[in-house]
Amino acid sequence: DSGVTQTPKHLITATGQRVTLRCSPRSGDLSVYWYQQSLDQGLQFLIQYYNGEERAKGNILERFSAQQFPDLHSELNLSSLELGDSALYFCASSVSGSQTGNTIYFGEGSWLTVV
Amino acid sequence: AQSVAQPEDQVNVAEGNPLTVKCTYSVSGNPYLFWYVQYPNRGLQFLLKYITGDNLVKGSYGFEAEFNKSQTSFHLKKPSALVSDSALYFCAVRDEYNNDMRFGAGTRLTVKP
Repeated sequence: DSGVTQTPKHLITATGQRVTLRCSPRSGDLSVYWYQQSLDQGLQFLIQYYNGEERAKGNILERFSAQQFPDLHSELNLSSLELGDSALYFCASSVSGSQTGNTIYFGEGSWLTVV
Repeated sequence: AQSVAQPEDQVNVAEGNPLTVKCTYSVSGNPYLFWYVQYPNRGLQFLLKYITGDNLVKGSYGFEAEFNKSQTSFHLKKPSALVSDSALYFCAVRDEYNNDMRFGAGTRLTVKP
């Protein structure tokens, strides 16, 4: 158990809908990362937050947004969902957002199926 | 931007034989290199990392990796493979200028009895 908690574990929703994925980082970790894992595109970095502020942005679609709250938990919002958004979404956390040698620890992921 | 390549989609080895999973990287500054393992329907588990110092890094479950700066490689190795090592392995890289970690496409390791 990495200490990173993600909910829900599984989610099935229809095209055009909006969903929110939730992540609680490990105790003491200030930085949260979101990744998308799909069969055709592998593991893609979406976005990183550090202590409530956006730190780095990757291949995140405009339909997607994220935030990190004062209690350090994070939410990833996915809207106007398309079939291609079906994937495993991972949250990860690390102690710092600025020390690049820090290990990041992954949650078990949220399986999203868009039908 | 930093990037990493895993040239083999699949590696098959017999139990008891040594295994190598290959990884090469590209960065602007000093690299920080990581290996993770993913078992079916699970999250990624950290195995080991190279930050600085000794080029041979030892990690969890008997795995080790060798950092080679001239070849920009960071291959994962284990002297004697176990059937339970069968999983998906990811190499990842950061450099000193970027916080986000970039992953390779993954290599599926199958260890046969």
